[in-house]
Amino acid sequence: DVKVTQSSRYLVKRTGEKVFLECVQDMDHENMFWYRQDPGLGLRLIYFSYDVKMKEKGDIPEGYSVSREKKERFSLILESASTNQTSMYLCASSPPGTANYGYTFGSGTRLTVV
Amino acid sequence: AQSVTQLDSHVSVSEGTPVLLRCNYSSSYSPSLFWYVQHPNKGLQLLLKYTSAATLVKGINGFEAEFKKSETSFHLTKPSAHMSDAAEYFCVVSVAALIFGKGTTLSVSS
Repeated sequence: DVKVTQSSRYLVKRTGEKVFLECVQDMDHENMFWYRQDPGLGLRLIYFSYDVKMKEKGDIPEGYSVSREKKERFSLILESASTNQTSMYLCASSPPGTANYGYTFGSGTRLTVV
Repeated sequence: AQSVTQLDSHVSVSEGTPVLLRCNYSSSYSPSLFWYVQHPNKGLQLLLKYTSAATLVKGINGFEAEFKKSETSFHLTKPSAHMSDAAEYFCVVSVAALIFGKGTTLSVSS
């Protein structure tokens, strides 16, 4: 069965810390995505990547960066965590041509910044 | 810009009655549209997708959606609700990436 694995289910970090959220997929998908999910706001796209070393800003990239050094791994980086970044973070992947495919989502990382 | 608007943040139905979750889209060309479901403390699951083939799309668990270009709508329906349908539902449009609506919480009472 295809999988998108997020390394942590729950994380608690302090304000100002640099935070790394890791995502690995085993489907050889070109496309990978990071979303955050907040009650009443749905999922909002932070960053996505079409290929290794490529990245595109989504709707809310401020305060985040990403790294994609290998095809299977897509990391989300919070440069200096703040309390308003407390959220559920979801990683997803897809083959090329998102118009005809849904995404495969990971189980999510619930990050709390204190 | 392409977007979706879910017209109800919360819908409550009784078990055995029809379900209607409303979604309008905004797109400058023929979009690809999806419905996803998320049960409490579970991951996102694809319910169905429209990709310019048949306008009436059937999904899993008895759900279906109809693409209406004239009304720019993609409403999700089910003839008879079941308790297990209680979840959050997201209408989604495909642009460079999937753009999600804010979600509709469906409650089902016995």
